[in-house]
Amino acid sequence: DVKVTQSSRYLVKRTGEKVFLECVQDMDHENMFWYRQDPGLGLRLIYFSYDVKMKEKGDIPEGYSVSREKKERFSLILESASTNQTSMYLCASSFRRANTGELFFGEGSRLTVL
Amino acid sequence: AQSVTQLDSHVSVSEGTPVLLRCNYSSSYSPSLFWYVQHPNKGLQLLLKYTSAATLVKGINGFEAEFKKSETSFHLTKPSAHMSDAAEYFCVVASGGSYIPTFGRGTSLIVHP
Repeated sequence: DVKVTQSSRYLVKRTGEKVFLECVQDMDHENMFWYRQDPGLGLRLIYFSYDVKMKEKGDIPEGYSVSREKKERFSLILESASTNQTSMYLCASSFRRANTGELFFGEGSRLTVL
Repeated sequence: AQSVTQLDSHVSVSEGTPVLLRCNYSSSYSPSLFWYVQHPNKGLQLLLKYTSAATLVKGINGFEAEFKKSETSFHLTKPSAHMSDAAEYFCVVASGGSYIPTFGRGTSLIVHP
């Protein structure tokens, strides 16, 4: 069964802490995504990666960075967490095909910043 | 450019009655269209997809959607709602050779006993 695994389902952090959210996929997908989900706003793309060490900013990259050192792993980093980054974070992956909307999602990481 | 609009933020139905979740899209190219479902505290799961084959697409759990180019719509339907259908539903468009799909804001389906 195909799988996207997010390392933490629930995290509680303090303002100013550095936060790492890890995502691993076992499908040999080229593309990986980090989304943020907030009520009424749907999914907003933070960063996208189409290959190892390659990344593109999404719609809301401010306050976030990413790392993709291996094909299967895509990490989201909050350098200095703030309360407005309290949210559900979803990782997804897909094959590198044009017009592909077929993404495979992890279960999500719910982050609370106090 | 591509965009997608889910016309209802909430839809409430009784168990056993039909479900209609509405989605309109905008694209300069022939689009691929998708519906996803998200149950509480879970990730998103693909329900069905349209990729320029048959315009009526059948998905999992009895859902189906019809691609109507003239109306730029891709509405999701189910003849009879079950309690287990209560979830958030997202319409998604991908087109123009893009590798990044665009998500709608979601429709929350509430099913009453």
